[in-house]
Order: sequence, then structure tokens, then C-alpha cells
Amino acid sequence: DADVTQTPRNRITKTGKRIMLECSQTKGHDRMYWYRQDPGLGLRLIYYSFDVKDINKGEISDGYSVSRQAQAKFSLSLESAIPNQTALYFCATERDSYNEQFFGPGTRLTVL
Amino acid sequence: AQSVTQLDSQVPVFEEAPVELRCNYSSSVSVYLFWYVQYPNQGLQLLLKYLSGSTLVESINGFEAEFNKSQTSFHLRKPSVHISDTAEYFCAVSRGTSYGKLTFGQGTILTVHP
Repeated sequence: DADVTQTPRNRITKTGKRIMLECSQTKGHDRMYWYRQDPGLGLRLIYYSFDVKDINKGEISDGYSVSRQAQAKFSLSLESAIPNQTALYFCATERDSYNEQFFGPGTRLTVL
Repeated sequence: AQSVTQLDSQVPVFEEAPVELRCNYSSSVSVYLFWYVQYPNQGLQLLLKYLSGSTLVESINGFEAEFNKSQTSFHLRKPSVHISDTAEYFCAVSRGTSYGKLTFGQGTILTVHP
């Protein structure tokens, strides 16, 4: 079984809808991250969490919110989706102080 | 703030040819450097990393990268590529173990032709 899973893998939605992307991990890592990938821009950090009680904004957090329900779960929400949020979204985990991040398979989100 | 620049967005090469994917970074403090690889329709996975010590680091599949502090570079090389190396490669920088956020470059798509 995969260590980092993301659901759904693909989602098509309409402008104005609320969307939640979920991430679960079995690696036992405290640190979790949400990124979005756009062609030619690499990955950009949306939010990150160093433990259940710690949530921090990344470089592009506007229009997004997160919830860390447990050590193993970190959800990303788009409160009112807009077309320029169409992207590939990745969740990642990291064991403290080792700097190797483990990525999920990604969620491809299309906002029409 | 730190930033990462990958100088080539696409690199086409023939099988068994050498390849170099270029990465430059800017940072006012010491950094840790990484190369991640993304195969088609998959998430990213770590290829190699430089934390300290020898400036030349190697991966298990024949890639190597050299940390050059004076040139602020961390170029990725392989002497002979295979079709299976076709992927997108990302250079990334971190400020260190106590502040582990990664800043990624724009990515380089390596396409290996037969």
C-alpha cells in the first residue's frame, strides 16, 4: 500500500463550488505539506503543518484553507473554486530534520 | 529569501549520451540542496541530496550532482542516459533542518530518444 495517499485523484468542478482534497499518510511523519504544480512554474507551497496544532501559510495560500485532523491526515479546501486554481495538487510528508519529502500521487483539479 | 533557477525547461538527448541539467540558487544563508524526479503520472521522489560533507553526491541509478558554493550551483549529470530516465527533474533548496520548507525550481523535462 502507498505511504501517502490522496483523494480524489481527479476532480472536475465548477466555479464557486467548495472542494476538499484529502491526504493520508502511514509514514508516521509529523510534517505535512500541500503544493500545487503548474507547467513551467514548478511546485509552490500552499500550506504546511509541523504537527497537529501547527498550521502555517505558504507562498500562495490565498483562496485555500487546511485542516490537520490528526497526525496522519491533512486536508486542503478551496472555499469557492475559480478557474485559475486548475492545477495538479500534491501532498507531501517529512520526518523531522531529514528534509526528504515523500509525495503522494497527486490530485488533478479542473475548475470550469 | 531563497530562490532556485533551472536554466533549461526542456532537454532532449539520445540514449547513451551524457546529460547535464543545470540548477542555480540564491540564498543569504547556508542551504541544503536536492534533486527530485517526477516520472509521468507520478508524484515526486527524491533523487539525491546535499546536506554537508563531500560536495559530490550520487544517486543509485547513476546520476550525480556537485555542490559549487562559489558559483551557487548544483548541476545534475549522468554520463549515459537510458530511455527510462525520461522524466521531469526538479532542483530544490531548503534553509536547513529547523526550517524544512523546500523552494523548487521550475523543472526540466528530460526526454531521452532511442
